[in-house]
Amino acid sequence: DAGITQSPRHKVTETGTPVTLRCHQTENHRYMYWYRQDPGHGLRLIHYSYGVKDTDKGEVSDGYSVSRSKTEDFLLTLESATSSQTSVYFCAISHKSGEQFFGPGTRLTVL
Amino acid sequence: KQEVTQIPAALSVPEGENLVLNCSFTDSAIYNLQWFRQDPGKGLTSLLLIQSSQREQTSGRLNASLDKSSGRSTLYIAASQPGDSATYLCALPYGNNRLAFGKGNQVVVIP
Repeated sequence: DAGITQSPRHKVTETGTPVTLRCHQTENHRYMYWYRQDPGHGLRLIHYSYGVKDTDKGEVSDGYSVSRSKTEDFLLTLESATSSQTSVYFCAISHKSGEQFFGPGTRLTVL
Repeated sequence: KQEVTQIPAALSVPEGENLVLNCSFTDSAIYNLQWFRQDPGKGLTSLLLIQSSQREQTSGRLNASLDKSSGRSTLYIAASQPGDSATYLCALPYGNNRLAFGKGNQVVVIP
């Protein structure tokens, strides 16, 4: 599993509140990713990072921001959560071979 | 961006039958292709990574082939078992190590 943990694993929050999800890796990989998975849409990239303080947008970045101040941590923030952001969020890392490995996921419900 | 298609979306097979899952992609200039397995409510598990220079990759009962010229990859699972029931996703990289995913083949192996 490439030493990837996500926290929290489950969260229920209310519309308009800020939410931060954390991804932590133990193997010093340069590339980290945040995806969301929804029925009918599959996996979609939100943001990714190619190094400390180096991040870029994915295909569904509106309403999300990220930060990476240390190699091992990649944070995803929903500044003001909306019901459309109810989803399962996955963090991933990329090995130098190009193979990606995923964390266990965070199930977020926005009421 | 790479477009990835997996057909059929769902299939059921009797136990012991060989499984054949197809993945097609639009851009043949690929770096590699990765197959994942996802169990309900769980994260993605990497099954196989095929580099662009390879024609196939094997792991136990799993064999994945790659035909870049036709834009296709096939995942074969020999002698299917009920424990093989899951969703199988293929993914290909595009631009800066990002992955484009198919929507998956949902497989049920009937005992």
